[in-house]
Amino acid sequence: EPEVTQTPSHQVTQMGQEVILRCVPISNHLYFYWYRQILGQKVEFLVSFYNNEISEKSEIFDDQFSVERPDGSNFTLKIRSTKLEDSAMYFCASSPGQQNTEAFFGQGTRLTVV
Amino acid sequence: DQQVKQNSPSLSVQEGRISILNCDYTNSMFDYFLWYKKYPAEGPTFLISISSIKDKNEDGRFTVFLNKSAKHLSLHIVPSQPGDSAVYFCAASAFEGAQKLVFGQGTRLTINP
Repeated sequence: EPEVTQTPSHQVTQMGQEVILRCVPISNHLYFYWYRQILGQKVEFLVSFYNNEISEKSEIFDDQFSVERPDGSNFTLKIRSTKLEDSAMYFCASSPGQQNTEAFFGQGTRLTVV
Repeated sequence: DQQVKQNSPSLSVQEGRISILNCDYTNSMFDYFLWYKKYPAEGPTFLISISSIKDKNEDGRFTVFLNKSAKHLSLHIVPSQPGDSAVYFCAASAFEGAQKLVFGQGTRLTINP
């Protein structure tokens, strides 16, 4: 069964450093997403990406964040200068692109900023 | 901003009985609702969904009911099995552009043998 894969599973970084979280969405999907879950809180939408551009982003997704699809398979989330409050589980997801279809999530990357 | 709310943080059910998880929403623009199941250290796994044009959708042991007038949906699991123990998230999206999902806080379901 096709799945969304994320690397690394756990990333520890020092405050102020840049991190890149990587995702390989399901191959025939057209919409890509990043969500995050701070410990003990709900899963929050960060950004959606379609046709090589951001289609929607949340208030959380400020100038420190960027997304890219550098080739035909990878989808990345970059945090330019990490803050302690960026510590969270980051989930990548993809969907076929049609309305009213489910999004498939990866297993997540746990980002710890120290 | 709690557009999707799951008021029960936890629920304990005996194996074989029915589990009922509830979810309320406030945004009348939501037209598609989903339930996800999540185990620790894993991503959410899609369970079942329902469009706003329906009031019930069934898939095996899982049934989702939607009451649009009350802005309420529920997930029924019958019969409950130990492997159903997980955190269940309700999520909703609106028919506009990309499918941004708005999640509830989750309900931790424990199935007791």
